[in-house]
Amino acid sequence: RKEVEQDPGPFNVPEGATVAFNCTYSNSASQSFFWYRQDCRKEPKLLMSVYSSGNEDGRFTAQLNRASQYISLLIRDSKLSDSATYLCVANTGGFKTIFGAGTRLFVKA
Amino acid sequence: DTEVTQTPKHLVMGMTNKKSLKCEQHMGHRAMYWYKQKAKKPPELMFVYSYEKLSINESVPSRFSPECPNSSLLNLHLHALQPEDSALYLCASSPLGLAGGTGELFFGEGSRLTVL
Repeated sequence: RKEVEQDPGPFNVPEGATVAFNCTYSNSASQSFFWYRQDCRKEPKLLMSVYSSGNEDGRFTAQLNRASQYISLLIRDSKLSDSATYLCVANTGGFKTIFGAGTRLFVKA
Repeated sequence: DTEVTQTPKHLVMGMTNKKSLKCEQHMGHRAMYWYKQKAKKPPELMFVYSYEKLSINESVPSRFSPECPNSSLLNLHLHALQPEDSALYLCASSPLGLAGGTGELFFGEGSRLTVL
């Protein structure tokens, strides 16, 4: 079983749609969690950290459920520019940072 | 614009060549990393350098060797690579080192390597 698992997609949604990505992690010792965004042939960029209390940044909302070892990312009012691969990341302390395989999102006009 | 600078952006080399990838960060971060990423796969950690200590992913072959001249530079020396080593090599830095690493990584734009 992979340490961080994501639905690979692709998710094809129209502009303005709400889309949710899910991620599970297997190591209960994982301490911190993040969502990264990666455009085609570009480097990953930190989108947001994920906290148990939930956090929001504009159209993006991230949630963490430690009991279920589950992380989510919600994107509201999708834009064409949101098309990218979204990587779920868990860190177990120190430098052990595990990336999920990523979920591809295509937003269409 | 990224504050982690990688050179070269593209590199083509033969299997007998020796080349180096260079990375510099300007954020005062205490940890630097090399990741390898194949197409449609997530980044895989190769090396971490923090507080003058190098940590190695034991699955990385010895034809890759990191060098850290100072806390803002991390080079990756390449020697006798194989075609399957062709990939995007990403350098990253993070603001915390030692046990305080949180996974908050800042990546350079990457060096795209092709081994013929």
